[in-house]
Amino acid sequence: EPEVTQTPSHQVTQMGQEVILRCVPISNHLYFYWYRQILGQKVEFLVSFYNNEISEKSEIFDDQFSVERPDGSNFTLKIRSTKLEDSAMYFCASSEPRDRALNNEQFFGPGTRLTVL
Amino acid sequence: AQTVTQSQPEMSVQEAETVTLSCTYDTSESNYYLFWYKQPPSRQMILVIRQEAYKQQNATENRFSVNFQKAAKSFSLKISDSQLGDTAMYFCAFRNSGYALNFGKGTSLLVTP
Repeated sequence: EPEVTQTPSHQVTQMGQEVILRCVPISNHLYFYWYRQILGQKVEFLVSFYNNEISEKSEIFDDQFSVERPDGSNFTLKIRSTKLEDSAMYFCASSEPRDRALNNEQFFGPGTRLTVL
Repeated sequence: AQTVTQSQPEMSVQEAETVTLSCTYDTSESNYYLFWYKQPPSRQMILVIRQEAYKQQNATENRFSVNFQKAAKSFSLKISDSQLGDTAMYFCAFRNSGYALNFGKGTSLLVTP
């Protein structure tokens, strides 16, 4: 069964450094998402991406964050200058190309644990 | 703003028994969707069951069913004949007109032999 994959599984970085988290969505999916979960807190939506542009973003997703689909398979989240409070588990998700069907299942990756020191 | 509340941080149930996980939400929208996701230890989240708000009939998927009370804004998950493989974190989630899923904090369910 196709799965969303994410690399790396764990990333440790110094405060102020740039990090890129990578995701390979399911191949025929066209909607892509990033979520994060700070330890002990709930999973929070960051951004959704469709047709090579951001379709929705939360207030968490400020100028320090960017997303990109650099080729036909990868979907990346870049944090330009990491802060201690960016430490979290970051989940990528993708969903099928039904026209914004609200009951679309979002398929999640296993997550990347980002630790900012 | 929509909020999703899961009031049970941890629950445990014996194998073959039934357990109910609670979820309440707050919204002013009339059209929305509700989901339960399961996250086994060290594995990705997978969808367990979904419910459209306009449907009165409660969704059922094998041993998993929901009790959707729209007026009370309640969406509980019932797991019947619990199995060891049901041990996981369970997240209730809400979605209306946007793309984002709004999650609760989760309930950690332990199924014991």
